[in-house]
Amino acid sequence: DIQMTQSPSALSASVGDRVTITCRASQSISSWLAWYQQKPGKAPKLLIYDASTLESGVPSRFSGSGSGTEFTLTISSLQPDDFATYYCQQYNSYSRTFGQGTKVEIK
Amino acid sequence: EVQLLESGGGLVQPGGSLRLSCAASGFTFSNYAMSWVRQAPGKGLEWVSAFSGSGGSTYYADSVKGRFTISRDNSKNTLYLQMNSVRAEDTAVYFCAKSDRPAPAEYFQDWGQGTLVTVSS
Repeated sequence: DIQMTQSPSALSASVGDRVTITCRASQSISSWLAWYQQKPGKAPKLLIYDASTLESGVPSRFSGSGSGTEFTLTISSLQPDDFATYYCQQYNSYSRTFGQGTKVEIK
Repeated sequence: EVQLLESGGGLVQPGGSLRLSCAASGFTFSNYAMSWVRQAPGKGLEWVSAFSGSGGSTYYADSVKGRFTISRDNSKNTLYLQMNSVRAEDTAVYFCAKSDRPAPAEYFQDWGQGTLVTVSS
């Protein structure tokens, strides 16, 4: 199975900060990567797919980049609504694995 | 508007069985791959199983293969997950998710609110 490793596991940031989360795959997944946002007690919400395509309705402060084994999710200017846990997910292989999550907390 | 409504969760004893349902609306159900994704309390997300939108192909995570069965009734716009021989590690919120890509290479565009399954004696 392809393993997905996110870093950091948690971070503290202030409103207006630029935030970057990294996701590494144990083998190449081309651009078959999605990012999700999840708030406590809620279902995940799709933010980005195909590594860099913004899902309809998602604010443009979110962006994704990368290919192969290394990917990043960037929030250009953190807003109060963005404090949540973020997950990457590969869909290159049968196993459709998720990263362990990155919790973004208020500093 | 896409709506996915899970039901059927609850408390089940180890070794027991449970059937989850996901009622779908707002889209042509038969055209889309559907999956179950679970989340153990305080943990991350784990894909469990998928059913293709056409052709009837099914897919399972190794952790549930041979114990869980995914099915769908396109006439009722409903996805199911039959859970047999459940274990404590199956305790989780189970989400139903819709994919716009064909299985087995999909991300999950729409999600239900989840149903909690607790395996305990």
